[in-house]
Amino acid sequence: GAVVSQHPSRVICKSGTSVKIECRSLDFQATTMFWYRQFPKQSLMLMATSNEGSKATYEQGVEKDKFLINHASLTLSTLTVTSAHPEDSSFYICSARGLTEAFFGQGTRLTVV
Amino acid sequence: DAKTTQPTSMDCAEGRAANLPCNHSTISGNEYVYWYRQIHSQGPQYIIHGLKNNETNEMASLIITEDRKSSTLILPHATLRDTAVYYCIVTGAGGTSYGKLTFGQGTILTVHP
Repeated sequence: GAVVSQHPSRVICKSGTSVKIECRSLDFQATTMFWYRQFPKQSLMLMATSNEGSKATYEQGVEKDKFLINHASLTLSTLTVTSAHPEDSSFYICSARGLTEAFFGQGTRLTVV
Repeated sequence: DAKTTQPTSMDCAEGRAANLPCNHSTISGNEYVYWYRQIHSQGPQYIIHGLKNNETNEMASLIITEDRKSSTLILPHATLRDTAVYYCIVTGAGGTSYGKLTFGQGTILTVHP
């Protein structure tokens, strides 16, 4: 299947700082990517839909000014967690829409201390 | 997207077939059944999908009932590496919402020696 690469796989940051997570589709062009968040022992929750060249669409309850999404090319979407707080600590996962299925990155474990 | 119901957990002996059921009684005519799995601390992995015919690939088989209200994912010869959370998801395969997946709690499959 297609490959989606997410970087970094783990990051620890101080409270109040910002963290950028990259999601790349390595062998196909993805006009649409998705960002999910997963807390311990819970399922994945969709945060936003990222469309190349346009603004992201956020799910209800997700702060667009806190979770900045940029999809400037057909192979790269970035999620920036701004002014991170301990409650933002979570597993962040991206996916890219292929022809008939979505492909997921390996996830980023964010810990805010 | 139609709601799905899966058992919380299942066990399977290594080398035996694992049969994971999913109920999706409110599925509509243009919705597909997708299966993904998530191994601990990794992003979800696509397994298989189908509309109404049974499907088979190198990973698994998908059996969809004639009325499409339920389906079964079959791992023919389970190995220890198949231990994961398995998600059954019903979604459209086209249109603006395609690829935007709603994850339930899934089934925790444990394969034991």
